[in-house]
Amino acid sequence: DAGVTQSPTHLIKTRGQQVTLRCSPKSGHDTVSWYQQALGQGPQFIFQYYEEEERQRGNFPDRFSGHQFPNYSSELNVNALLLGDSALYLCASSGLTGDGYGYTFGSGTRLTVV
Amino acid sequence: SQQGEEDPQALSIQEGENATMNCSYKTSINNLQWYRQNSGRGLVHLILIRSNEREKHSGRLRVTLDTSKKSSSLLITASRAADTASYFCATGTKETSGSRLTFGEGTQLTVNP
Repeated sequence: DAGVTQSPTHLIKTRGQQVTLRCSPKSGHDTVSWYQQALGQGPQFIFQYYEEEERQRGNFPDRFSGHQFPNYSSELNVNALLLGDSALYLCASSGLTGDGYGYTFGSGTRLTVV
Repeated sequence: SQQGEEDPQALSIQEGENATMNCSYKTSINNLQWYRQNSGRGLVHLILIRSNEREKHSGRLRVTLDTSKKSSSLLITASRAADTASYFCATGTKETSGSRLTFGEGTQLTVNP
């Protein structure tokens, strides 16, 4: 049973560019959440998708947007990249599969903005 | 902003010793979860404790929750070198799958062989 898959693993972008990160949830999960983790800090909630709609959003600017597809996979898009967007981006999935309220996290995408 | 604060920020112990990490939070919660992260990669869910529970065990892990003090502790008994990682507490405010989580800053645990 595959867990959460994120791609790419690493990414280097130039300030001002746009980036798209991808996430495939664990089998049976229908909810996808995205988190940003700066170096040495805990993850911070960006937003959550369920039934192809953004259901909850953290304190992130509109440059951060997302999408969920009918197969529950999700994308995170960041426009006009800033140096401060450099971080590990984590995708987490959850669903009514007996996991309780715990998430399953992917291994993350390490984004470096130069 | 971070809800939780972990204490200590870093902990170094010898293999076989017990490790205790503490977490404090600010608002009312439905559940509190502990996660482990190795070398800045993905988070691994360790244990979840609901707000109406006071203590929970899973293998070598023991978690306590004191809602009156808004605090939790994670005890790892008989630690191993493989337990070396960062440990985060995270709070959930909803009784639904997919409750948004608010993480603390984490405790870096080093277990020396």
